[in-house]
Amino acid sequence: EVQLVESGGIVVQPGGSLRLSCAASGFKFDDYILHWVRQASGKGLEWVCLVSWDRGRTYYADSVKGRFTISRDNSKNSLYLQMHSLTTEDTALYYCAREREGALDYWGQGTLVTVSS
Amino acid sequence: QAGLTQPPSVSKDLRQTATLTCTGNSNNVGNQGAAWLQQHQGHPPKLLSYSNNNRPSGISERFSASRSGDTASLTITGLQPEDEADYYCSSWDSNLSAYVFGTGTKVTVL
Repeated sequence: EVQLVESGGIVVQPGGSLRLSCAASGFKFDDYILHWVRQASGKGLEWVCLVSWDRGRTYYADSVKGRFTISRDNSKNSLYLQMHSLTTEDTALYYCAREREGALDYWGQGTLVTVSS
Repeated sequence: QAGLTQPPSVSKDLRQTATLTCTGNSNNVGNQGAAWLQQHQGHPPKLLSYSNNNRPSGISERFSASRSGDTASLTITGLQPEDEADYYCSSWDSNLSAYVFGTGTKVTVL
């Protein structure tokens, strides 16, 4: 069974940093592109970033470019999101998701990041 | 980054048919196609359709997708109470080098 489990979400002050993790199981991890997607309370889905299977390619939404870094450790079946210079606009539920044929076919339950003083 | 445009809401009677639309451009939907996701309140999204009209295992045949030019559509036949949810389309935008989501459509079953 495919499983994605996010962790690391907490309350952080504006300007702070945070690292999210996503533990994967049930599939060959290094065969897949992985994404982070966020959703603010009551709002729609917002794509954050992706990393290719071999870490060779990363892409970011303009809203996080230069502040967030996506990475993966294929030996640990884990995906990460390092976030810096957080603002209240970054408050959201953060999901990790697996991509298959251009679609995000499996999603975790999400981890909540709250940026507040 | 520009997203894909969806109508905010659609309301239909039980057992009727709802058609949801998703409008993009030649850099995303028109060239890459679209996927469709369903999200119930308090739950993560679930993939309904990918590569325009392929359904993952376990997804009802009542959900079917299509595309015409830069617009993708999701048709839900025989609406059931459990179909009440938010629906999002998504696609890769080759010009933006970004993955884009639709604005979402809330489906209400009357």
